[in-house]
Amino acid sequence: DAKTTQPTSMDCAEGRAANLPCNHSTISGNEYVYWYRQIHSQGPQYIIHGLKNNETNEMASLIITEDRKSSTLILPHATLRDTAVYYCIVRGISGTYKYIFGTGTRLKVLA
Amino acid sequence: DADVTQTPRNRITKTGKRIMLECSQTKGHDRMYWYRQDPGLGLQLIYYSFDVKDINKGEISDGYSVSRQAQAKFSLSLESAIPNQTALYFCATSDGSRGQGYTFGSGTRLTVV
Repeated sequence: DAKTTQPTSMDCAEGRAANLPCNHSTISGNEYVYWYRQIHSQGPQYIIHGLKNNETNEMASLIITEDRKSSTLILPHATLRDTAVYYCIVRGISGTYKYIFGTGTRLKVLA
Repeated sequence: DADVTQTPRNRITKTGKRIMLECSQTKGHDRMYWYRQDPGLGLQLIYYSFDVKDINKGEISDGYSVSRQAQAKFSLSLESAIPNQTALYFCATSDGSRGQGYTFGSGTRLTVV
């Protein structure tokens, strides 16, 4: 499974878009990009995932670069409840399906 | 009721004691996982199971054992607890479908004194 690199922390003003970057330069062709978040010490919550194309759901948008070496998670209108640690994970679709979690990005949404 | 339920939520135990953490799910998923999280760090995989007859070691299985009693139940045991096993423990499930995410439980906070 490819390694990911994320900034340690970020701040975002409430109501503004939060853009969380992730580098995964060693990603291979059959690996998906997943995003999870963990609010305080709760269990991680699945947000979104993608392979090549940009994806959007009710929580967020995922933008993957054409070369797939990086991606950005976008929370369009951040709220205080979006304050959490955000994990970017790259995982293959075959084999053991296990996630390798890094330390993530600690996003703080400011009032 | 939660899709993935972990019991107990909190536990304090003494060094050398055997302790079991339980996980049950109503998702109908075949795959279940146990993760450990130390303060300020990401999650580390302890054990995972793809079905009732399949058990696999993860990154940090030493000092732990598991039992998959049924599709819906996956227990983690610490045979002889030690203080550096003090951590948050999470159970997760997935259905193994291509690209689908995991569902995590709320966690068990274990303190070994």
